[in-house]
Amino acid sequence: NAGVMQNPRHLVRRRGQEARLRCSPMKGHSHVYWYRQLPEEGLKFMVYLQKENIIDESGMPKERFSAEFPKEGPSILRIQQVVRGDSAAYFCASSLRTGTSNSPLHFGNGTRLTVT
Amino acid sequence: DAKTTQPPSMDCAEGRAANLPCNHSTISGNEYVYWYRQIHSQGPQYIIHGLKNNETNEMASLIITEDRKSSTLILPHATLRDTAVYYCIVRRSGSGNTGKLIFGQGTTLQVKP
Repeated sequence: NAGVMQNPRHLVRRRGQEARLRCSPMKGHSHVYWYRQLPEEGLKFMVYLQKENIIDESGMPKERFSAEFPKEGPSILRIQQVVRGDSAAYFCASSLRTGTSNSPLHFGNGTRLTVT
Repeated sequence: DAKTTQPPSMDCAEGRAANLPCNHSTISGNEYVYWYRQIHSQGPQYIIHGLKNNETNEMASLIITEDRKSSTLILPHATLRDTAVYYCIVRRSGSGNTGKLIFGQGTTLQVKP
């Protein structure tokens, strides 16, 4: 059973370009979470999605960032007009269910975004 | 979600047990204790979780005090590959909760030869 797959592993963008980060959850998982880790800092929650729905986006920056999890295909984290401060590791996690909290989140190995 | 307190760093000799403490004095009845670790430049790795009973799996044991205000993660025979940042997280359960994990600063465990 494949784990959470994120691609690309490394992404370099110039200031002002768009970055698209993809996350394929574990098989059978319909809950996806995105986290950001700035250099030398901790992991910060960004957004939680179920299929076709954003459930909690309390950690998302108000501008330039968006996320989706379509009925078919991977979840996408999109950053428009990137700035140097967006340089970070972005991690995706998936879980089987959430209500009981007895279902762990499983993380991918992240996408490292570098903005030049 | 309840806040957790962990020591910022610990050392452990290779082959010995590593005991990582965590305080969660404000934990409520429907909150689980989860442990993750992050080895440099990798994604967080799930280790173990529990509600009130002690738990054991192939990676570690989790000891939760009877009042649930603290817990200890035990790696029975630490190896150099166990060097990582270990996170203790309290996670709320029940319908209507998103199940998101809130990471603190964790404990940096250094396993030494």
